Amino acid sequence: GIQVEQSPPDLILQEGANSTLRCNFSDSVNNLQWFHQNPWGQLINLFYIPSGTKQNGRLSATTVATERYSLLYISSSQTTDSGVYFCAVDQGGSEKLVFGKGTKLTVNP
Amino acid sequence: NAGVTQTPKFQVLKTGQSMTLQCAQDMNHEYMSWYRQDPGMGLRLIHYSVGAGITDQGEVPNGYNVSRSTTEDFPLRLLSAAPSQTSVYFCASSSIHRGSGETQYFGPGTRLLVL
Repeated sequence: GIQVEQSPPDLILQEGANSTLRCNFSDSVNNLQWFHQNPWGQLINLFYIPSGTKQNGRLSATTVATERYSLLYISSSQTTDSGVYFCAVDQGGSEKLVFGKGTKLTVNP
Repeated sequence: NAGVTQTPKFQVLKTGQSMTLQCAQDMNHEYMSWYRQDPGMGLRLIHYSVGAGITDQGEVPNGYNVSRSTTEDFPLRLLSAAPSQTSVYFCASSSIHRGSGETQYFGPGTRLLVL
């Protein structure tokens, strides 16, 4: 099956710093999503981005489908950005996503 | 809208016991899925459904059963609990209509401990 690799596995930042999280996938996909899991365990969808670039406030994401990777940018990080960021892909619909192992982000004040 | 709800929030079972994890959504979504999350493993798909009466296996289906008698509900059954099923279980739903973003909405999770 399709493989999803995320890097780095852990990232520690000072508040106000910028960061880039990477997601590589081993085959073509119809669906790619970025999720944030907060320290209380809740999973929140950030972006649905099988290709192209999207922005939402301080967060933006770019997927280069032909090269099988996606990047999540976080600018001017805040302590509330802490948590685990997951990339998930599907070669069909959105009912059976394959998740990467995540990047654990810690933002210190 | 309540979104995706899961009950219970936390459960302790003894090996061999059975139980049902409940999941409900009020967004009229066709797709529903169950995932388990283990430390360092990300989320892995257990079972999924593309509509009432239709279910299929995911990556790690052994030891679990599902049914989908209504659009709203998608219960997950553990037939004979084993310590290896200690995990956090997430239910998710999404719309079948492509081009709408296909955002998956996740429930708050059920933390299961099997002794």
